[in-house]
Amino acid sequence: SYVLTQPPSVSVAPGKTARITCGGNNIGSKSVHWYQQKPGQAPVLVIYYDSDRPSGIPERFSGSNSGNTATLTISRVEAGDEADYYCQVWDSSSDLVVFGGGTKLTVL
Amino acid sequence: EVQLVQSGAEVKKPGESLKISCKGSGYSFTSYWIGWVRQMPGKGLEWMGIIYPGDSDTRYSPSFQGQVTISADKSISTAYLQWSSLKASDTAMYYCARRPSGYDSHFDYWGQGTLVTVSS
Repeated sequence: SYVLTQPPSVSVAPGKTARITCGGNNIGSKSVHWYQQKPGQAPVLVIYYDSDRPSGIPERFSGSNSGNTATLTISRVEAGDEADYYCQVWDSSSDLVVFGGGTKLTVL
Repeated sequence: EVQLVQSGAEVKKPGESLKISCKGSGYSFTSYWIGWVRQMPGKGLEWMGIIYPGDSDTRYSPSFQGQVTISADKSISTAYLQWSSLKASDTAMYYCARRPSGYDSHFDYWGQGTLVTVSS
């Protein structure tokens, strides 16, 4: 089955740029979606189809996808961005939804 | 406004049955998939399965096939997740989420979650 690999944690200082990666075999050929989950809350979609932002999501959030790595980039990080982030794809070969293991973003 | 409202927290004993619900409003319930996602305490998101209420087409993750049943009643815009015999390992938060059509689509709206606790 298809596997998505995320780093368990990423730390960044306020005002800097955070990059959270999501690795998978030829992931660049798939559409990648990203979710933010704050403690005690349901996940929220922050990026869909690699780089599209839902309404209400700040422009500081952006995404890219190429080769074997998709990346969620958060510019000018704020304390309120501290959360777990999950990537997700649809594996067409098995007709299954796949989530990455999640990355905890810590704002120093 | 699109909303998915899930049923309240449940405390059950091992071996008991359970059916939790997810009611959609603010959109055409039969035109979007509804997925179910498990989150065990302190762990990540796990996709369980998905249903298209328009025709009840249902898919399951191999990890959950045979362990749960997903259904929907389009007349009341409600999707369900049920167990016939709960185990302690079913203790988790369960989320429903809406998925637009498209084979590689995302989950754009999520319910607030239903906490299921299974303990003797």
